[in-house]
Amino acid sequence: AQKITQTQPGMFVQEKEAVTLDCTYDTSDPSYGLFWYKQPSSGEMIFLIYQGSYDQQNATEGRYSLNFQKARKSANLVISASQLGDSAMYFCAMREQATDKLIFGTGTRLQVFP
Amino acid sequence: NAGVTQTPKFRILKIGQSMTLQCTQDMNHNYMYWYRQDPGMGLKLIYYSVGAGITDKGEVPNGYNVSRSTTEDFPLRLELAAPSQTSVYFCASSSPAGVQPQHFGDGTRLSIL
Repeated sequence: AQKITQTQPGMFVQEKEAVTLDCTYDTSDPSYGLFWYKQPSSGEMIFLIYQGSYDQQNATEGRYSLNFQKARKSANLVISASQLGDSAMYFCAMREQATDKLIFGTGTRLQVFP
Repeated sequence: NAGVTQTPKFRILKIGQSMTLQCTQDMNHNYMYWYRQDPGMGLKLIYYSVGAGITDKGEVPNGYNVSRSTTEDFPLRLELAAPSQTSVYFCASSSPAGVQPQHFGDGTRLSIL
């Protein structure tokens, strides 16, 4: 069965520093997609970044990058130059290619302090 | 462009009451989903639909029903509300496959008392 694991319930980082949020996954499908979403205290789900299983390069979107290590089945999110507004819950998710369903991890709460 | 719209945003129900959570999208997406998020947890899939007239169960379908008569709308029905259904409900939509993410509505916060 497909599964997403986020082992860090909470993380702290100082403003302007980089932080890595861990995500490991388990699947037997050769084709899959990995997503990161941000959920601020207001509750909405904000898409951050996507990595396809066949992508050769790590995905980047502005200050967000995805450290994709396929052999280790990990897809860690790296946030560079943290800002106070980055304080939120972060969810890693994997998409089943056949149905487009997303399987979510339990999330990591990131707190950025001055 | 409204995206995915959910109504209502908040609702309090008494045990045993029924209600329908509305979800509509204007992006012409074929795929639509309902998730629930319990406090401190990730999202769990309740039901999904790959097109009008086609629905299927997700991970936690018990106590819910859905229908998909049009591409735009995907309502979620709660029958005989129970305290265990207190949660935040998210509707989402997407295009089939590809690199496009699921687009989420802002959620409905539902309390069963």
